[in-house]
Amino acid sequence: AQSVSQHNHHVILSEAASLELGCNYSYGGTVNLFWYVQYPGQHLQLLLKYFSGDPLVKGIKGFEAEFIKSKFSFNLRKPSVQWSDTAEYFCAVGPSGTYKYIFGTGTRLKVLA
Amino acid sequence: GAGVSQTPSNKVTEKGKYVELRCDPISGHTALYWYRQSLGQGPEFLIYFQGTGAADDSGLPNDRFFAVRPEGSVSTLKIQRTERGDSAVYLCASSRQTSGQGADTQYFGPGTRLTVL
Repeated sequence: AQSVSQHNHHVILSEAASLELGCNYSYGGTVNLFWYVQYPGQHLQLLLKYFSGDPLVKGIKGFEAEFIKSKFSFNLRKPSVQWSDTAEYFCAVGPSGTYKYIFGTGTRLKVLA
Repeated sequence: GAGVSQTPSNKVTEKGKYVELRCDPISGHTALYWYRQSLGQGPEFLIYFQGTGAADDSGLPNDRFFAVRPEGSVSTLKIQRTERGDSAVYLCASSRQTSGQGADTQYFGPGTRLTVL
């Protein structure tokens, strides 16, 4: 069955630390990949997406993610986090030819000021 | 423009009751999706509409759940004989269309938090 794994459930960082959140998926075909963020009290917002082309994609607020096809991974990175990045981050996969997203369980990030 | 809106934001009901949850997608978006997010989990797909028809309802957990989109815009998710296990946040999303390569970017609403006592 198709699935998405986010290995880090809770991450605590100090401001200015670097961030990397893991995302792995199980699906052998072509996929579209997404990272969504949910700030406290707010709804899911798109952070970045990959459909095709350059596997290194840049999103809003200084976030980027790299698609490594051979590893079935789409890890999210940010060189220097801010307190305002405190949120829950969800990785989602949209297998080619389908329209439904498969979400990971999310990673709660807390950034200490 | 306005994003996806959902009403009510919170709904508390008693076991066995009937509830309706409403979703108003982004204007012009032909595709609409319902997801359910239980505590500590990511959203799980329930149903997808392309226009007025339910193109895929394979995620609906059982026949107590039903959704409609009669005019191709607003959608209503209906749950009959609610059970405590139905308690979750119900999310609606919309997108412009589905591309041949897979799902287009989905934009999510704020969700309806359903609590079944």
